[in-house]
Amino acid sequence: QKEVEQDPGPLSVPEGAIVSLNCTYSNSAFQYFMWYRQYSRKGPELLMYTYSSGNKEDGRFTAQVDKSSKYISLFIRDSQPSDSATYLCALISGGSNYTLTFGKGTLLTVNP
Amino acid sequence: SQTIHQWPATLVQPVGSPLSLECTVEGTSNPNLYWYRQAAGRGLQLLFYSVGIGQISSEVPQNLSASRPQDRQFILSSKKLLLSDSGFYLCAWGRPGGAADTQYFGPGTRLTVL
Repeated sequence: QKEVEQDPGPLSVPEGAIVSLNCTYSNSAFQYFMWYRQYSRKGPELLMYTYSSGNKEDGRFTAQVDKSSKYISLFIRDSQPSDSATYLCALISGGSNYTLTFGKGTLLTVNP
Repeated sequence: SQTIHQWPATLVQPVGSPLSLECTVEGTSNPNLYWYRQAAGRGLQLLFYSVGIGQISSEVPQNLSASRPQDRQFILSSKKLLLSDSGFYLCAWGRPGGAADTQYFGPGTRLTVL
């Protein structure tokens, strides 16, 4: 079993839809959770960062972590065409200060 | 504010040729530095990371090498490229000494080996 599993999509939604992106992980040592957004042919940019179970909101984005289920989600409300990108989850083990483990990314297209 | 630069942006090289990709960071001191490769369908693969000048850790055995000649400069090299070296190479930096090291990525170099 891979350490981090992420549905690659592609996911296509109409503008204004609520989008749910998900990752599951197998190693309970992961303690810090991030979501990156990557536009085509660009480097990933950090969207959200959290370390505790529960929800963290930032504008239209909500990151949700359930450590007991080893499940993390990113919700996008009122999705816009500019949200079209690949979304990557990334996790850090509490025992490792330096390395991120990434999901493979989900390609999202928001249609106007 | 901090910025990270990579060059070249795009590179096409023949098999067996050498490689040198450069990454520099501005606006911070003693950053942690990282090289990743992103190949189609394979996600982001960590290649090397460095927590200081002259300190390089390799995550994946391969024909690539990394060097950090200056505090904010990170170089990825190869003596002889393979077809399998094609991909999108990303440099990233992280805040020094952070326990939860969020990383910030550069614009990337797209390498095609023919």
